Amino acid sequence: AQRVTQPEKLLSVFKGAPVELKCNYSYSGSPELFWYVQYSRQRLQLLLRHISRESIKGFTADLNKGETSFHLKKPFAQEEDSAMYYCALSGNGGSYIPTFGRGTSLIVHP
Amino acid sequence: DAGVTQSPTHLIKTRGQQVTLRCSPKSGHDTVSWYQQALGQEPQFIFQYYEEEERQRGNFPDRFSGHQFPNYSSELNVNALLLGDSALYLCASSLLSGVGRAKNIQYFGAGTRLSVL
Repeated sequence: AQRVTQPEKLLSVFKGAPVELKCNYSYSGSPELFWYVQYSRQRLQLLLRHISRESIKGFTADLNKGETSFHLKKPFAQEEDSAMYYCALSGNGGSYIPTFGRGTSLIVHP
Repeated sequence: DAGVTQSPTHLIKTRGQQVTLRCSPKSGHDTVSWYQQALGQEPQFIFQYYEEEERQRGNFPDRFSGHQFPNYSSELNVNALLLGDSALYLCASSLLSGVGRAKNIQYFGAGTRLSVL
């Protein structure tokens, strides 16, 4: 079975501070990991995926297979980063259905 | 490109009634997935439609059913509504006939907020 764990329900930081949203997963094969973001009154949207190795809006995430983690990081948080962040996993068995973590609400204070 | 569109935006029903929600996928997409998102929770997978057939199903009762039309749009039907069915229902589209891992990327609609009284 595949599982995604986001241990923090809420993360509160000040503008300019570093941010790390934690995500751990459980999957026996080679998964694909995603971060989705939901800004206030906006639709859920893809932020980044591990195979792209991109930096989106200053955020990066590295897949650590040894620790089974896919933490989302940003060196300097901005107020507009305040949102709900969901880590998600898709298996390699032809399912193509993501399993979502419970989400972390990030609040960036001015 | 209008992206994924869902209708209606909001809906109020009473227990025991039936409801139909609609979804039009992103242009060029052939697959529609439906999710239920209770307040403060993550999206829970209901089912996925591809080539007008239910391809996969999550842990939801038979009261939840769906349909996909030849133009790839989809409907979600819920019968005998319960108070616990109150949630945001999300539709997501993807391209299963595409190549590689692009199949894994889902584009979400804004959702339909269903309230059951």
